[in-house]
Parts: sequence; C-alpha cells; structure tokens
Amino acid sequence: DAGITQSPRHKVTETGTPVTLRCHQTENHRYMYWYRQDPGHGLRLIHYSYGVKDTDKGEVSDGYSVSRSKTEDFLLTLESATSSQTSVYFCAISESMGLGYGYTFGSGTRLTVV
Amino acid sequence: DQQVKQNSPSLSVQEGRISILNCDYTNSMFDYFLWYKKYPAEGPTFLISISSIKDKNEDGRFTVFLNKSAKHLSLHIVPSQPGDSAVYFCAAIPTSGTYKYIFGTGTRLKVLA
Repeated sequence: DAGITQSPRHKVTETGTPVTLRCHQTENHRYMYWYRQDPGHGLRLIHYSYGVKDTDKGEVSDGYSVSRSKTEDFLLTLESATSSQTSVYFCAISESMGLGYGYTFGSGTRLTVV
Repeated sequence: DQQVKQNSPSLSVQEGRISILNCDYTNSMFDYFLWYKKYPAEGPTFLISISSIKDKNEDGRFTVFLNKSAKHLSLHIVPSQPGDSAVYFCAAIPTSGTYKYIFGTGTRLKVLA
C-alpha cells in the first residue's frame, strides 16, 4: 500500500461538537491535502500543507482548521460540527507540487453529523 | 463556480464496447490534466494524464484526448471491462504556480457484463 492511512474510517458525531480527523503517512512526502467529496461537487480542497507548521486554505476552508506538527501527520479539525459537514473526507500526499507529481489518496473517512 | 465540469453523472456501457467520459473546463490557464478512478470505500487512484502541449496520450486500454480550442478532454476506455466500473474524476492543474488540483464532479461508469 501507498503508506497513507486515515483514522477513523467512520464517525458519527453530534452537531456542535469538535471532531478531529487524522492523516498519517510513511512516505516522508512534503505536501499533504484534505479534500471533501460530496455528490454534485466532486472533490474540493479544504486545506493543504507544504511542510511542518506550514499550511494554507483551500476553496472550502470555513469551519475547518488543520495542524501539522510532524511530517507524517496532518490533522483536520471541525471546530463545531454542522450537518453541512457530513461528507467523505480524503487525505492526499504528494512528493512535490510540480507538474507530473501525482497525488496519492487515503481510503477516506465517512463523517456523519447528526 | 465549477471550473472543471463533468456533465454526465453516470454512464452505462456493455462489456467489450468503448466507454467515453467527458470533461469540460472554463479556465484556459490549465497546464496539465489528469484522470482519477475511484472504487467504493477507497480513495481515488491515478489513471492517466496529459500535458497541455499534447492532444493525445495513450496507456494500454486508456486514451485521453485534449481539445484545447474547445476546452474539452475525454477519456476513452477500449475495450471496457466490468472491473472498470467506478467513479472517474478529471482534474486540472493551473499554471498559477500553486499546482493545486481542481477536480470535476465525477462520472459513475457501469460496465455491464
């Protein structure tokens, strides 16, 4: 396998509670990304990281924060979960941001906010 | 605004026939295009890519065509196999220097045995 794992794989949480999703890689890749997949919207970038402690926003970052204290771990936090954040979340890694460097995706976390 | 669009949410094809998946984009400042394939309960996996300086790239049963004037790319699968049943996403990489992928909405392909 590609050396990227996401945890948990499934989670049900209540509206208003904080939730943290974890992405762990063993590839020592510099770049890490969080996407959400929703019907009719495809994959949309939430946040990405270009190094330890270096992160930036994607196109749907409202309500989410991230942290990267180690190369191998990229955490996504929903500060106060809402039903609109029910989705499948994918983490991806890449060695570089240059053209031709593909993304490797994790298997996803299915989050349901009730 | 959706810069990369896949207007067909689903497609059914008989085994052995050609599958054609389409993708349109609105921004002419894309340098590179990719197709990803996704099975249920798995993450997307890279399938094939094409640079904006080319109009065709082939890899086995998979061929991607790029028509820059029409801002259109397509993925041809010949012959289609039941194992090709999956969701296919096209993605574009802008020339802005950030190289962040912009994904389409996906097309679910079902290959009928």
